[in-house]
Amino acid sequence: IAGITQAPTSQILAAGRRMTLRCTQDMRHNAMYWYRQDLGLGLRLIHYSNTAGTTGKGEVPDGYSVSRANTDDFPLTLASAVPSQTSVYFCASSDSGLAGFDTQYFGPGTRLTVL
Amino acid sequence: SQKIEQNSEALNIQEGKTATLTCNYTNYSPAYLQWYRQDPGRGPVFLLLIRENEKEKRKERLKVTFDTTLKQSLFHITASQPADSATYLCALDAGGGNKLTFGTGTQLKVEL
Repeated sequence: IAGITQAPTSQILAAGRRMTLRCTQDMRHNAMYWYRQDLGLGLRLIHYSNTAGTTGKGEVPDGYSVSRANTDDFPLTLASAVPSQTSVYFCASSDSGLAGFDTQYFGPGTRLTVL
Repeated sequence: SQKIEQNSEALNIQEGKTATLTCNYTNYSPAYLQWYRQDPGRGPVFLLLIRENEKEKRKERLKVTFDTTLKQSLFHITASQPADSATYLCALDAGGGNKLTFGTGTQLKVEL
């Protein structure tokens, strides 16, 4: 069982380019999340999805979009990358069997540098 | 606004001692609190969850306390080992179902 996989592992991107970070889970979890982690700021929620077909905005959604066409995949798109989006991006999932007591399972992260 | 505070300075302790990490929060009334471990270059890994009506939770060498009056959680690692060296994050429910808000983490270094 792989858990959560993310691709690419790292990427250097020119400002203004479009980029999609991929996230796939094989645990059949209904909820998925995207975070960015920056030094001194910790993990901040970008977007989330409680179930396939629905998405919601987190703390820092501007400049990012997501889709949830099925249970397993939750891609994060940067439509026009800017240097402030340089960060480490983590995808996570959780099983909302007990509402409000979810534990989250994280992927290995994608290190993105926007020049 | 909601705020979570963890010691930003690294905690250095000797092997075999008990490490104690602190998580304070303000403007929150969380239903539960979680602790995660993060190693360099890796995603966080869940360790323990404690609910608002629980004072203490244990798992092997780990112990978590939750004081809703003080708005504080303490995370203890007894008989610490160098392998316990990592960054430890606390997370609280963000009041919207399953979403979490994370602290910035405290780095623990266990020395021989």
